[in-house]
Amino acid sequence: SAVISQKPSRDICQRGTSLTIQCQVDSQVTMMFWYRQQPGQSLTLIATANQGSEATYESGFVIDKFPISRPNLTFSTLTVSNMSPEDSSIYLCSVVRGREQYFGPGTRLTVT
Amino acid sequence: AQSVTQLDSQVPVFEEAPVELRCNYSSSVSVYLFWYVQYPNQGLQLLLKYLSGSTLVESINGFEAEFNKSQTSFHLRKPSVHISDTAEYFCAISQGASGTYKYIFGTGTRLKVLA
Repeated sequence: SAVISQKPSRDICQRGTSLTIQCQVDSQVTMMFWYRQQPGQSLTLIATANQGSEATYESGFVIDKFPISRPNLTFSTLTVSNMSPEDSSIYLCSVVRGREQYFGPGTRLTVT
Repeated sequence: AQSVTQLDSQVPVFEEAPVELRCNYSSSVSVYLFWYVQYPNQGLQLLLKYLSGSTLVESINGFEAEFNKSQTSFHLRKPSVHISDTAEYFCAISQGASGTYKYIFGTGTRLKVLA
């Protein structure tokens, strides 16, 4: 399994500002993923973050809006930039061990 | 393209009754299948998985799912539910051994167990 922590667990932000979410894993992993879960909906993959390379973004997500850093094999950050109320969601990071994905507890973001 | 369909958005059921949560998928390649559970205000936890071998897989808390390749289904069942099973359940697939690790999630089924 994997133990994953995220900071902050929740935040309320004003529109136009940015928030950086941190994801820490208990041991080294090659791939980390960032997901968004909008209210009452399923998970949507934002990007895949590999250490030492640029993140790979899914259709509909761009680096200017969701810049990602992956400075080492146990840590990643996701920034939600220039926020609007539509960005209110739960943001989750996950890692792969074997063929299983393990998820962090999520960051609940509310944009007012 | 791959997709996962969970036809039931909500399933109310009385305590101690059986339940089935349906999951169908579409893929042109072999897949691995997963069920995740999300309790209120918590993250996702892996409930059970099918990677290979026996098509019937079980979890430690009494849930089971059966992989049916011909019907491209992976329905989740429990013979007797408890109040504590109230949660959101997500079905997911990823490509098989030669594929990527990307997961495709269904839209989720909210199981509400009634007293």
